Amino acid sequence: KNQVEQSPQSLIILEGKNCTLQCNYTVSPFSNLRWYKQDTGRGPVSLTIMTFSENTKSNGRYTATLDADTKQSSLHITASQLSDSASYICVVSAIGKTSYDKVIFGPGTSLSVIP
Amino acid sequence: NAGVTQTPKFQVLKTGQSMTLQCAQDMNHEYMSWYRQDPGMGLRLIHYSVGAGITDQGEVPNGYNVSRSTTEDFPLRLLSAAPSQTSVYFCASSYRGAQVEQYFGPGTRLTVT
Repeated sequence: KNQVEQSPQSLIILEGKNCTLQCNYTVSPFSNLRWYKQDTGRGPVSLTIMTFSENTKSNGRYTATLDADTKQSSLHITASQLSDSASYICVVSAIGKTSYDKVIFGPGTSLSVIP
Repeated sequence: NAGVTQTPKFQVLKTGQSMTLQCAQDMNHEYMSWYRQDPGMGLRLIHYSVGAGITDQGEVPNGYNVSRSTTEDFPLRLLSAAPSQTSVYFCASSYRGAQVEQYFGPGTRLTVT
C-alpha cells in the first residue's frame, strides 16, 4: 500500500534553533518527493522537489535530503524564525497512469517556533 | 495576478442542504483539482480536471460533483451535505497535474451540522 508517514506529529522549538522533520514512504515506483509549507488558514506552498537522483536540495534556510534506498526524506530548517511556524507536508509521487495517480500526501508536521 | 482564489472562506450548512464552492485561477493552467483536508490525515483528492470539459474522480468523490466549462473556473458542488463532509476544502491548479508543483487556493472551511 502506498503510504507517507511523517514525524514528529508536532514540534515546538525556540527561535534561532535548528530542527529536522522526517518523512518515510512506501510509494513505488518512485517519481519525486516534494515538501510543502502550509501556514495556518492558508493553502500549501511548495518548498522543494527532489527526484530519484538528487540527495540534497536547498531553498534558503530549508534543506531537504532524500535517501531513495531507505525511502526516507528529511527537511532541515536552520536558524528558525517565527514565520517558520506552519505545517510541513511531505508529498510523494509514484509513476502512475494519470497525472494525478499515485500522489500521496503525508499528514504533516506542525512546527511552532516560540520567542 | 491573483493565483488561485476560492469562495467562500467559511460556510455552515445543515444536513441535506446543497451548495457550490467556487474556485478560479488566472495562471492559464489546464489542470485543476479539489482536495479535502481532515485532521491527522493527508490531503485527499476529490475530483480533478485536465482541461475544459474533462473531469475525473479522485480518491473520495462520493457526494461531490464538478464541472469545467472554462479553463479558469472549477466549481465543486455538494449535492446533499452530510456531517462527514465537514472539512477544509482546497482547490489547486498546475500546468501538469499533481506530479508537478501545484498552486493551492486559501481554502474553504465547511461545517455541516
